[in-house]
Amino acid sequence: QVQLQESGPGLVKPSETLSLTCAVSGYSISSGYYWGWIRQSPGKGLEWIGCVHHSGSTYYNPSLQSRVTMSVDTSKNQFYLKVNDVTAADTAVFYCASSSASWAYYFHSWGQGTLVTVSS
Amino acid sequence: IVLTQSPATLSLSPGERATLSCRASESVSSYYLAWYQQKPGQAPRLLIYDASHRATGIPDRFSGSGSGTDFTLTISRLEAEDIAVYFCQQYGISPLTFGGGTKVEIK
Repeated sequence: QVQLQESGPGLVKPSETLSLTCAVSGYSISSGYYWGWIRQSPGKGLEWIGCVHHSGSTYYNPSLQSRVTMSVDTSKNQFYLKVNDVTAADTAVFYCASSSASWAYYFHSWGQGTLVTVSS
Repeated sequence: IVLTQSPATLSLSPGERATLSCRASESVSSYYLAWYQQKPGQAPRLLIYDASHRATGIPDRFSGSGSGTDFTLTISRLEAEDIAVYFCQQYGISPLTFGGGTKVEIK
């Protein structure tokens, strides 16, 4: 069974870059699946940020595309999220999750989530 | 696609039937709609995919139905452990989107 665990700084200053890591266990990223990021804030609910495949292909939400970068490291069985130029509106709980068949799919496994606060 | 869930809050007694609605602003292709359950302090858990297929390990009191723009999650006999917020998600058109959620409470 796939297990996911997010990690990263809980506090980021405005205009800086938010960087998160998702460690995957119980499944090899290289075997397939698509690896996604979703955030949840009181104001905007659940918001899909994007997905990355082990091949390096990425699929982003157009509303965030200009500020988001996703990548994978198959040797570490991890994938990553970077959000540039953050503001208070980026404060949220960030989840990593997995989809089995496509980047446009449901998420069958989720990490526990990590709260990121944007504040000076 | 904007997903609108109703009601915002549902308060029922144990054993009652819960009916949750998810309405899409345009047709969701190929039944590409999922339902999740989120308990306080936890991540969402997949309940239903492809509008009506139960995910692995989900009790059969949970069922999904619908097509096009109108979808329903039904809990046939509400149990205390079902207290949670329920979200729908469409994956037919990019960007993937989620509904605002329905909170289910026990009277």
